[in-house]
Amino acid sequence: DAGITQSPRHKVTETGTPVTLRCHQTENHRYMYWYRQDPGHGLRLIHYSYGVKDTDKGEVSDGYSVSRSKTEDFLLTLESATSSQTSVYFCAISESRGTEAFFGQGTRLTVV
Amino acid sequence: AQTVTQSQPEMSVQEAETVTLSCTYDTSESDYYLFWYKQPPSRQMILVIRQEAYKQQNATENRFSVNFQKAAKSFSLKISDSQLGDAAMYFCAYRKTGGGNKLTFGTGTQLKVEL
Repeated sequence: DAGITQSPRHKVTETGTPVTLRCHQTENHRYMYWYRQDPGHGLRLIHYSYGVKDTDKGEVSDGYSVSRSKTEDFLLTLESATSSQTSVYFCAISESRGTEAFFGQGTRLTVV
Repeated sequence: AQTVTQSQPEMSVQEAETVTLSCTYDTSESDYYLFWYKQPPSRQMILVIRQEAYKQQNATENRFSVNFQKAAKSFSLKISDSQLGDAAMYFCAYRKTGGGNKLTFGTGTQLKVEL
């Protein structure tokens, strides 16, 4: 299995509070991604990174920010959590010339 | 923008029988990849099979095979000799060559396997 660890695995937070999810990889892959999974929508890309300090927006980036200060870590921050951000969040990695993306175990976030 | 459509929210199959999951996509690219991912109740995303668009031959992985129709932009997954462990959510996904290797997913098909 690809070395990807997401933390925390579950979190309940209150509306308006900041939340940071962490993705850590041991594969030295260039690309890292954050997706959210919601019923009826599949997985949708929030943000991705193509190198240290190089990030770009995905299709559902509003309300989220990311940072990548080291190759192995990719952080997703909800500046002020809202109930619409209740979801399962997946981190994924891929190599520059690889065809396959590897996924973490997911984080279930509930905003109450 | 690329879109991926899975028109079957749920499918059922009897154990040992064959089932086909449908997927269509829309793209203006000529070079791309297509994938089927399986998500069991554990939530883990597992790659089932991949297809390179430049290859005419359909990909096969043991009991899993695809019917790739590039002109029709269709990419269906056939599961033969279905097993109880095949019960899961299946996602079709598209990725163009380059461009950050970003995946676009369909909405998923929930497969139930009955005894």
